Amino acid sequence: DGGITQSPKYLFRKEGQNVTLSCEQNLNHDAMYWYRQDPGQGLRLIYYSQIVNDFQKGDIAEGYSVSREKKESFPLTVTSAQKNPTAFYLCASSMEPGTTGEQYFGPGTRLTVT
Amino acid sequence: AQSVTQLDSQVPVFEEAPVELRCNYSSSVSVYLFWYVQYPNQGLQLLLKYLSGSTLVKGINGFEAEFNKSQTSFHLRKPSVHISDTAGYVCAVSNTNAGKSTFGDGTTLTVKP
Repeated sequence: DGGITQSPKYLFRKEGQNVTLSCEQNLNHDAMYWYRQDPGQGLRLIYYSQIVNDFQKGDIAEGYSVSREKKESFPLTVTSAQKNPTAFYLCASSMEPGTTGEQYFGPGTRLTVT
Repeated sequence: AQSVTQLDSQVPVFEEAPVELRCNYSSSVSVYLFWYVQYPNQGLQLLLKYLSGSTLVKGINGFEAEFNKSQTSFHLRKPSVHISDTAGYVCAVSNTNAGKSTFGDGTTLTVKP
């Protein structure tokens, strides 16, 4: 089955440590996205990539970094510079820009930093 | 720039009652519109979408939505809800030239027995 996988489902880290969240898709989609979701708030865009080896900052990129070395993979690193990293992180993908814009989401990773 | 407003953050209803979840958007260009459903601790799943054509769109699980261009609305409806419809519902808009979407803050639907 085609889809998006995120791992792990739950992640616990100590403050000051960097952590990388995995996102893989086998939908052959060009575009991939990372969102952060906090209780009572909508999705906020962290980074997005429309093509391999290229990515752009979203609305809340500070304290995060990404890479897009392969079409299928778009890992997100939460650095120690992110002041409030505890959140639910969602990865998504869509077909090339200019198409319908429908996004396909992974199951999410809940990160807790103490 | 585009934006989405979901007018109700929480909607409680009794089982078998009808429900309407409201969504308004603003955009200076033509848009595509989406409703997603999110169950606790899970990702979003597409419920239905409006791309063009008929303004009444039918989706999964018996939901439907109507695109109203003059009122810039895309409200989601179901004539009779079930306990299993308890979830978060997120409205989204994307302009027809780009893949990025703008999401609303979501509405939590709670269906009570």
